[in-house]
Amino acid sequence: SQWGEENLQALSIQEGEDVTMNCSYKTYTTVVQWYRQKSGKGPALIILIRSNEREKRSGRLRATLDTSSQSSSLSITGTLATDTAVYFCATDSQGGRALIFGTGTTVSVSP
Amino acid sequence: GGIITQTPKFLIGQEGQKLTLKCQQNFNHDTMYWYRQDSGKGLRLIYYSITENDLQKGDLSEGYDASREKKSSFSLTVTSAQKNEMAVFLCASSIPGNTGQLYFGEGSKLTVL
Repeated sequence: SQWGEENLQALSIQEGEDVTMNCSYKTYTTVVQWYRQKSGKGPALIILIRSNEREKRSGRLRATLDTSSQSSSLSITGTLATDTAVYFCATDSQGGRALIFGTGTTVSVSP
Repeated sequence: GGIITQTPKFLIGQEGQKLTLKCQQNFNHDTMYWYRQDSGKGLRLIYYSITENDLQKGDLSEGYDASREKKSSFSLTVTSAQKNEMAVFLCASSIPGNTGQLYFGEGSKLTVL
């Protein structure tokens, strides 16, 4: 899971497996954005879910949002080696000055 | 499409040295950001700017200065590098509003000897 200053979590899986990672946030947010960062690159947005949505799908990605527990999850089905990356959630908490990022989940997918 | 270009990609400095990182974007976005990425701590906001000549402090602004002299560029200065410091600095831009997608550069890696 990701939360503020919590330690980075790492997951190692085999290609073809499904993976789910979680994110908890501290205050109300209008949107949760999920970013993927591959080695040596900057983060890139992969899916966005708004506070009035409970689930959002995009290809092999599925994001959920539970505003009552202030948590979101990202699932990737049928993982590929190219899904190897660090995944961050980001919210517009803390007065909405700018996006606040979680600590990230490292996913390693072996061929 | 557009691109965010950060220079230099790698920066090695000495303790106490003032070091400057530069960022250019051709998205024509109004808002630009500097985040610091440390292992195990995610991305932390240093400064952001909502328009030319505007500067807003993030949670990690102490020890840094920033400059937004043009819409397309945003610079970050480490005012006094700390010994053994190692981090990646990420520049990003977005359309106005805090729910907009961020577009990131590839980062500048700082090592202080």
